Amino acid sequence: AQSVSQHNHHVILSEAASLELGCNYSYGGTVNLFWYVQYPGQHLQLLLKYFSGDPLVKGIKGFEAEFIKSKFSFNLRKPSVQWSDTAEYFCAVNERQLTFGSGTQLTVLP
Amino acid sequence: KAGVTQTPRYLIKTRGQQVTLSCSPISGHRSVSWYQQTPGQGLQFLFEYFSETQRNKGNFPGRFSGRQFSNSRSEMNVSTLELGDSALYLCASSGGDSYTSDTQYFGPGTRLTVL
Repeated sequence: AQSVSQHNHHVILSEAASLELGCNYSYGGTVNLFWYVQYPGQHLQLLLKYFSGDPLVKGIKGFEAEFIKSKFSFNLRKPSVQWSDTAEYFCAVNERQLTFGSGTQLTVLP
Repeated sequence: KAGVTQTPRYLIKTRGQQVTLSCSPISGHRSVSWYQQTPGQGLQFLFEYFSETQRNKGNFPGRFSGRQFSNSRSEMNVSTLELGDSALYLCASSGGDSYTSDTQYFGPGTRLTVL
């Protein structure tokens, strides 16, 4: 069974700092990868996804992620975070079902 | 397009009771998946329905069941509720034509509290 690891459980940054959240998955075959975000009191929203092609994918709100097949990684990045990015971020892999990582709570201090 | 809707948004039940949760997918989507979200276990897959058939199932006891109607709306049922069933239950819909390259869109969830 596939698994997804998010190594950072809680990240605290100041506004304008750069962000990188790690995500590693265990499945060795063809996978589709996602990052979802859950803002306080809101439902899970899709940030970005990777199916194939360019391993650097861009999502909404200035987020991007890079798929590195040799490292089984799909890290999320943003050059400059804002207070409104405070949320929980989930990495997920889809083989036959979505398997989620444990999530990373990001707190951005104004 | 309207998003995924779930009803009710909040439920309080007591141990031993049963509960039914409802999910209406995005128009045109034929696949509905259910997830349980708890602080301790995170987001866990319950099951997926496609064209009224259960297509995939997670590792939950038989007390958790579901069904899908011809209009793609789905219900989830939990019988003999236990305290540990307290959770946010999320429904997600997708086109359903591909197991792997579908994108799932989530509803707001139903917050179930078992007393």
